[in-house]
Amino acid sequence: QKEVEQDPGPLSVPEGAIVSLNCTYSNSAFQYFMWYRQYSRKGPELLMYTYSSGNKEDGRFTAQVDKSSKYISLFIRDSQPSDSATYLCAMHRGFQKLVFGTGTRLLVSP
Amino acid sequence: GAVVSQHPSRVICKSGTSVKIECRSLDFQATTMFWYRQFPKQSLMLMATSNEGSKATYEQGVEKDKFLINHASLTLSTLTVTSAHPEDSSFYICTIKARDRNTEAFFGQGTRLTVV
Repeated sequence: QKEVEQDPGPLSVPEGAIVSLNCTYSNSAFQYFMWYRQYSRKGPELLMYTYSSGNKEDGRFTAQVDKSSKYISLFIRDSQPSDSATYLCAMHRGFQKLVFGTGTRLLVSP
Repeated sequence: GAVVSQHPSRVICKSGTSVKIECRSLDFQATTMFWYRQFPKQSLMLMATSNEGSKATYEQGVEKDKFLINHASLTLSTLTVTSAHPEDSSFYICTIKARDRNTEAFFGQGTRLTVV
């Protein structure tokens, strides 16, 4: 079993839709949770950074962490074609190496 | 603007040759840089941790003699793929942690290596 599971997609939505991206994990020691966005042939960029459980909001993006279920989510409101990219979840225990999901490819059509 | 500069962005080389990839931290001194590899439709996998002034720390299964890392200064780390083979073809990315958070926050743009 992989430490971090993420549906590769692609996930296709119309412009303006609310997008929900998710990851599950098996290691209960993970404490730091990240979402990265990666455009084709580019390096990832950090979108959201969350410590422990709870919600965090930044503009159209909301990150949720449910440690009891070992489940994290990224919500994108009012999705735009420019949001089309691969979204990677990642996590670590603190001063440990990052463990990435495989990424979910998102396609937002105009 | 970019915090990490990585080049080349794309390189094609012949099997058996060596390729050097550079990673520069532009905004601040990075005592530690990280090198990842990403195969198509797979997760980013940490290859090694590059420490300024000391030897790199390699992840299990990564050949240190094949992937030479030199952290020559506080702003420059290089990864040399020696005697490249087609199975080394991949997307290589360097990254540094942000000063104020315990995670890799700044990634280079990546290098697409194709070995023919």
